[in-house]
This record gives sequence, C-alpha cells and structure tokens, in this order.
Amino acid sequence: VQLVESGGGLVQPGKSLKLSCSASGFTFSSYGMHWIRQAPGKGLDWVAYISSSSGTVYADAVKGRFTISRDNAKNTLYLQLNSLKSEDTAIYYCARDGYNLDYWGQGVMVTVSS
Amino acid sequence: DIQMTQSPASLSASLGETVSIECLASEDIYNNLAWYQQKPGKSPQLLIYYASSLQDGVPSRFSGSGSGTQYSLKINSLESEDAATYFCLQDSEYPWTFGGGTKLELK
Repeated sequence: VQLVESGGGLVQPGKSLKLSCSASGFTFSSYGMHWIRQAPGKGLDWVAYISSSSGTVYADAVKGRFTISRDNAKNTLYLQLNSLKSEDTAIYYCARDGYNLDYWGQGVMVTVSS
Repeated sequence: DIQMTQSPASLSASLGETVSIECLASEDIYNNLAWYQQKPGKSPQLLIYYASSLQDGVPSRFSGSGSGTQYSLKINSLESEDAATYFCLQDSEYPWTFGGGTKLELK
C-alpha cells in the first residue's frame, strides 16, 4: 500500500489549491478515504471523508470551503481547498479507511500567507 | 462533537520501563478508539484499533484497553525506538476527533 500526496505550496489568503493523493497497492475503489491535517508543531485534525460510493463528510472548520472527491479510474483522491485562511496552514495527509486509518501518506505542506 | 482529553501531555521514562497513556472521551465511544505513534517528520502509524486490537506488525509490547469513555495505551519494556508522540482518535461518530498527544521521551 502506498499513498503519495502532491499539490501543496504557498498560497495567498482567499486563494485556492487542489491536493492529490495517488494510491497504489490496493483496490482503491473499495475503500473510503480521509484527509487529516496537522498545523506546524500541533496535533492532528480530521478534515474530511469520502466513502467508496463517494458519500462525503466534512469538519465544520472546512465545510463549504473544501471539497473531497475521488477518481477511481485514476486511483486518486483529491481535496479542493478554496477561500484559504492562515489557519489552514498545515501538513495535509491522506489516509485509507481500513482498520481505522491504517495507511497514511507522507503528507504535503500547505502554507497560507500573504 | 466528542472531545478527547489525553494525558499526560509529556512523559519521560527509562528503557525497560512500562508506561501508560490515557484518553478520556466526553461521551461513550463504544470502543471506537485507535492509538497512533508519530515520530518527528513522519506520518502517524496505527498501533491499536477498536480499543484493544493490535495492528499487524506492531510489537506485542503495545496494548490497548478500556471501555465507555476511558481508554489507555500501555507500552511494556520500553525500547529506544518508542520515543515518539502518541495520539488517540475516536471514530465513533463524525467529526472524528484526536486527543492532544503525549510526547514520550526516553531517559
């Protein structure tokens, strides 16, 4: 199992960014997937979930601004981040929903700053 | 939202000792509790799921217990590689919530 995030970077407040998580080593379409983030030097915050049938759930802090999606043909999970705020600065991890969050990617840094 | 209160925030112990970390949920989470280990610069690794089930490949010196609102992670016979930060996570209901973390330092 391998999960590889990409798409992070430095972005100005109010702007948008799209993260990707490329999955391999398992049947991606059969699993729900999550995004979790970690602000620098802080704890972990659950962000969003998408089921194998593309049902979604969001944390209140990102609801209406972030959109989780998936492309099973490309074995890829996405997180569209809109209207970014400084408090969204964090490492963003994708994780598989197996026995709980059983596999995680290495993370991608998103920095929101002017 | 379910609040997860993790204690202690930091812990210092010697090689070979046994330590315990606690997580208290603000309501019954019906054993839907996982424990993770995170080393600096790395992503979290699953240790325990459903309160007491050991993830494949995790050493048996790690164990989880608890029920209702109170859960604990026990590490027996500490080894140098156990120096890390440990987090609990409730997956009983959305939004999933993590404990604040416990930083374990080896003396």
